[in-house]
Amino acid sequence: GAGVSQSPSNKVTEKGKDVELRCDPISGHTALYWYRQSLGQGLEFLIYFQGNSAPDKSGLPSDRFSAERTGGSVSTLTIQRTQQEDSAVYLCASSLEWYSADTQYFGPGTRLTVL
Amino acid sequence: AQKVTQAQTEISVVEKEDVTLDCVYETRDTTYYLFWYKQPPSGELVFLIRRNSFDEQNEISGRYSWNFQKSTSSFNFTITASQVVDSAVYFCALYTGANSKLTFGKGITLSVRP
Repeated sequence: GAGVSQSPSNKVTEKGKDVELRCDPISGHTALYWYRQSLGQGLEFLIYFQGNSAPDKSGLPSDRFSAERTGGSVSTLTIQRTQQEDSAVYLCASSLEWYSADTQYFGPGTRLTVL
Repeated sequence: AQKVTQAQTEISVVEKEDVTLDCVYETRDTTYYLFWYKQPPSGELVFLIRRNSFDEQNEISGRYSWNFQKSTSSFNFTITASQVVDSAVYFCALYTGANSKLTFGKGITLSVRP
């Protein structure tokens, strides 16, 4: 079946602009996760969703970052007023359930470059 | 707090050599899960294995094997008779129910030369 998909695959933006990154999880997966991969920080957790609810937003690096999930499916990560330090690959993952350490399957990522 | 240490940053071997990738983890939870992922040059993280803290049996899958030792908090990964296609970054990760997230190590870049 189809895996996790993300769009766009690459995004180049100017400092100060807003960007939206999209994640389409595997069908039937109730849990969805966002991670960020950058050279200096490695892979860091941002936020996860149980259905449409995000119980823990503490991983978001600043209040410029927000995420939502609708219909228990597609999720959007929004970065407002982008800064150069936001440049990274943003990875989305999904798993069948959130509470049982089900394997997280990752999408190909969105490479964000802020000029 | 959870932590995963992959002390090796880069390893280079010649094809057909065996190579072991080390992973040491820290957690106060008694129930936890360990994972290995492979990230080839294409960039997508590929799941390799999942192991829970109550199952210390070693596992073998083809040329891949994993050695889980709770006594040393280690979950090492061995590739036997390495191949060029094994060249990738390998991540070890820890999951605990406390925060429902994967904590990743920094990754090990493996280069297999023909």
